[in-house]
Amino acid sequence: QVKLQQSGPGLVKPSQTLSLICDISGDSVSSYSAAWNWIRQSPSRGLEWLGRTYYRTRWYNDYAASVKSRIIINSDTSANQFSLQLTSVTPEDSALYFCARGVLGLYDFWGQGTLVTVSS
Amino acid sequence: QSALTQPPSASGSPGQSVTISCTGTSEDVGAYNYVSWYQQHPGKAPKLIIFEVTKRPSGVPGRFSGSKSGNTASLTVSGLQPEDEADYYCSSYAGSNNLGMFGGGTKLTVL
Repeated sequence: QVKLQQSGPGLVKPSQTLSLICDISGDSVSSYSAAWNWIRQSPSRGLEWLGRTYYRTRWYNDYAASVKSRIIINSDTSANQFSLQLTSVTPEDSALYFCARGVLGLYDFWGQGTLVTVSS
Repeated sequence: QSALTQPPSASGSPGQSVTISCTGTSEDVGAYNYVSWYQQHPGKAPKLIIFEVTKRPSGVPGRFSGSKSGNTASLTVSGLQPEDEADYYCSSYAGSNNLGMFGGGTKLTVL
């Protein structure tokens, strides 16, 4: 059974960087058949896909246009985890953040969620 | 504004059936058989209940079913039970240049 465990701070100051980690068990971050995604949820935006990383003989990343200039998703094969960094955050980035495994719009395993508030 | 359109609410009495729609375009829902549905209870992560339009993951009750006609996908919950009260979201693949489309969600109330 795949399990995703998220960690990271729940409070970030405006203009700083939001950083979250997703630890994977039951699968590999470098699996050829999976992609590893970050998705957030807020009352104003609903569910919003932010980006993904995946390995197919080399690493690939795709990012949503809305955050493309501010987002980095990395993978750590030794720790079997992937991470999210979102720079220059504003209160509009306050949301419930999820990591999830999935491709083709199908997200079959999700992390528990991290509520992130952007406030001074 | 979400790319896929869902009704904000739906309701039914225990034992009844309810259908939730998810309307997209010929470039997403209408183009691919990669529509998924998720159930989300308050404070929890979304749970996959339907994938590839009609398929159910192991462990999902058979009272959940999916279908598609043209640019609209539908989720039907038959024999409503109190624990089915939750928010439901659809998603669709829309090609490599438009990843991660979700509907705005439908709040299902079991009366």
